[in-house]
Amino acid sequence: DTEVTQTPKHLVMGMTNKKSLKCEQHMGHRAMYWYKQKAKKPPELMFVYSYEKLSINESVPSRFSPECPNSSLLNLHLHALQPEDSALYLCASSQDQSGAYSGNTIYFGEGSWLTVV
Amino acid sequence: AQSVTQLDSQVPVFEEAPVELRCNYSSSVSVYLFWYVQYPNQGLQLLLKYLSGSTLVESINGFEAEFNKSQTSFHLRKPSVHISDTAEYFCAALSYGQNFVFGPGTRLSVLP
Repeated sequence: DTEVTQTPKHLVMGMTNKKSLKCEQHMGHRAMYWYKQKAKKPPELMFVYSYEKLSINESVPSRFSPECPNSSLLNLHLHALQPEDSALYLCASSQDQSGAYSGNTIYFGEGSWLTVV
Repeated sequence: AQSVTQLDSQVPVFEEAPVELRCNYSSSVSVYLFWYVQYPNQGLQLLLKYLSGSTLVESINGFEAEFNKSQTSFHLRKPSVHISDTAEYFCAALSYGQNFVFGPGTRLSVLP
């Protein structure tokens, strides 16, 4: 099973709303990622959790708040977003964070399409 | 630091013609290389990967890529494309202690 599941698939929210994106994997992976992807661009790394601890925060605004409740779950809490935050948000996971182990592939979910109005 | 270059932002090709999508990387240490495909309105799917061993790797849907260390390349090829291959293709690299680095992507458009 190489599946990363994301919910919801589509989300429309106002600039004053609070919402969350959810991600789940059952591959025993210890690294989980949030990426943001704008149209016709590659994914941009936002956050990395390694062994349930925040490892990397790529200078993401505080209106995005990640949470890793356990080794299988990753959330992204959204509050007071701007229209320019509209994008595809991709969750991903890998065996661990670095290339230390052969076969350390990143597996992506289908993404959550976010529209901020 | 590592980086990935995909020189062609768009590649139009007629159905049943061969195609090559180019990928070059730079890294001062050993590197793992990947190709991901993104169909319209979908997430990224792993197409194939090079970790070690044979420099020619193949996917189940007819794509292949060859790791060339001297030219620091990992070009993706398919001898005969289908309409359903229309998608965005991302090359990515991973080396020890680094995060995945994606190339800018190549949009493959297969024309009837």
